[in-house]
Amino acid sequence: AQSVTQPDIHITVSEGASLELRCNYSYGATPYLFWYVQSPGQGLQLLLKYFSGDTLVQGIKGFEAEFKRSQSSFNLRKPSVHWSDAAEYFCAVGASFNKFYFGSGTKLNVKP
Amino acid sequence: EAGVAQSPRYKIIEKRQSVAFWCNPISGHATLYWYQQILGQGPKLLIQFQNNGVVDDSQLPKDRFSAERLKGVDSTLKIQPAKLEDSAVYLCASSLGIGWGAGAYNNEQFFGPGTRLTVL
Repeated sequence: AQSVTQPDIHITVSEGASLELRCNYSYGATPYLFWYVQSPGQGLQLLLKYFSGDTLVQGIKGFEAEFKRSQSSFNLRKPSVHWSDAAEYFCAVGASFNKFYFGSGTKLNVKP
Repeated sequence: EAGVAQSPRYKIIEKRQSVAFWCNPISGHATLYWYQQILGQGPKLLIQFQNNGVVDDSQLPKDRFSAERLKGVDSTLKIQPAKLEDSAVYLCASSLGIGWGAGAYNNEQFFGPGTRLTVL
């Protein structure tokens, strides 16, 4: 069965520090992988996606993610976090017919 | 281009009452999705439409939830009667098409701001 695990519920980093949010997936076929960000009271915004090809994917707002098939992981990274990055981040795997399975999310707090 | 519109943004009702949510997808998007997001969890797909036909409603509690997309554009999601556990944010999303593969980049899902439902 398809599933997505985000093991960190809350993460706090200092502004300017690097960030890595973990995502592990379970899916029987070639995964289509996504990271979304959700600010309070807002809908989900797509940060980046992986369909095939280069395993290091660049997204918006300076985010990147690396697909590692051997580890079933798709971790999100940012070299220098800004206070405006404080939000909740969701990893998702795309299955057939555009069906998405979302992780439970990681809330990011940014310390000044 | 205008995004996915949803209304109302907030709704508070008593248990056993009924409630309806409305969604207007991005113009030209054939596929429409309703998700339920309970506090502390990721969104869970309730129902997916392709034009005005249902593609997947396997996780829709059909004894109390219903949804329609009569003309293949706007959609409404209804809960009747509501239970306490229905308190959640209801998200609507749309995509240009359906399915993955070579044209998959056109099938990105765009989300609306959601409707926050509180059942007392």
